[in-house]
Amino acid sequence: TQLLEQSPQFLSIQEGENLTVYCNSSSVFSSLQWYRQEPGEGPVLLVTVVTGGEVKKLKRLTFQFGDARKDSSLHITAAQPGDTGLYLCAGEDGYALNFGKGTSLLVTP
Amino acid sequence: KAGVTQTPRYLIKTRGQQVTLSCSPISGHRSVSWYQQTPGQGLQFLFEYFSETQRNKGNFPGRFSGRQFSNSRSEMNVSTLELGDSALYLCASSKTDYGYTFGSGTRLTVV
Repeated sequence: TQLLEQSPQFLSIQEGENLTVYCNSSSVFSSLQWYRQEPGEGPVLLVTVVTGGEVKKLKRLTFQFGDARKDSSLHITAAQPGDTGLYLCAGEDGYALNFGKGTSLLVTP
Repeated sequence: KAGVTQTPRYLIKTRGQQVTLSCSPISGHRSVSWYQQTPGQGLQFLFEYFSETQRNKGNFPGRFSGRQFSNSRSEMNVSTLELGDSALYLCASSKTDYGYTFGSGTRLTVV
């Protein structure tokens, strides 16, 4: 059973569109991390959110941690082809980093 | 600064054999975690080592084992390989629980 559910699984959009990826769980996490992974490489950390309700911005990417620290969202504004990749959310529960299965994003010019 | 280095990048083994994978963490990072990534299951936690001690272990059979050396380098071993062990094995190092740096992984194919 996956602790973290991500939606959608796949997303194909045109350059310039906006999108939101969701990460939901019934568990509480001490932190929620977002990673991006490209084919043949390991995941790369984008952001860590720690406080319930926290919002962090990284250029065109906005990350939000739910008030109850169980869910998170990633919003990308004006997507670009360079944003293509597998987006993974991961929750730290003090024992291990638990990953969702990821959202595969394709941005076409 | 140097990232997390995993060797080898690719490996092909036969069922029943054993394999050892290596991971060199970022200098100063004492925690090393291992993950198995497959298309069906995503990233699954194998184990974590901190200062040469296994701190946590995921839900994998005893055929999967690991160790960490005094210089924080880590190895994982899989004995009696099965076809289902084919996966990308990722190692990650960290200083805190708030962000991990992953290596590029070892792609293991069992035939």
